[in-house]
Amino acid sequence: NAGVTQTPKFQVLKTGQSMTLQCAQDMNHEYMSWYRQDPGMGLRLIHYSVGAGITDQGEVPNGYNVSRSTTEDFPLRLLSAAPSQTSVYFCASGRKGGTNEKLFFGSGTQLSVL
Amino acid sequence: AQTVTQSQPEMSVQEAETVTLSCTYDTSENNYYLFWYKQPPSRQMILVIRQEAYKQQNATENRFSVNFQKAAKSFSLKISDSQLGDTAMYFCAFMKNTGNQFYFGTGTSLTVIP
Repeated sequence: NAGVTQTPKFQVLKTGQSMTLQCAQDMNHEYMSWYRQDPGMGLRLIHYSVGAGITDQGEVPNGYNVSRSTTEDFPLRLLSAAPSQTSVYFCASGRKGGTNEKLFFGSGTQLSVL
Repeated sequence: AQTVTQSQPEMSVQEAETVTLSCTYDTSENNYYLFWYKQPPSRQMILVIRQEAYKQQNATENRFSVNFQKAAKSFSLKISDSQLGDTAMYFCAFMKNTGNQFYFGTGTSLTVIP
């Protein structure tokens, strides 16, 4: 059982470049989300999805796009990378509703924008 | 909006001793979940313990226990018999009962000293 798989683990971009962070889960979770982790700021929600075709903004959505065409995949797109987007990015998934809630996290992507 | 506050950026404890990490939160919700996640140097996010707000009994998982004070909106984590492997960043998190959005605190970096 692979759980939540994120790729790549590390990435260096130049300002203005675009890229997509991939996230896939094999647990049939309805809920998927992207967080960024910055020193002293904890994890902040970027975008989330409660099912295929449904996405919504979190706390810090600017500069990022998402789509959810399948239950399994939830890619995060940086349209024009900026140094302020240097961060560690986590994808997380979970069941929608229910009584045993928790988030399953990917292993993270360290992104540096020069 | 929900907020989660961890007022101790760094803490240390001697091996085999007990340490308590503090967390407070602000919400108008009555039903919700609270979590402690551990992030070791490997960067992986690991669920330590989970508490449902409607349960008065404090959750316990082996050496980890919580002190949940709903009226005070306080959710502290006690680690007993601290081990070197407990060295990590610890995040307190909140989730409403009606959704999957997690709100994280800024984290407490715990070092266990041999």
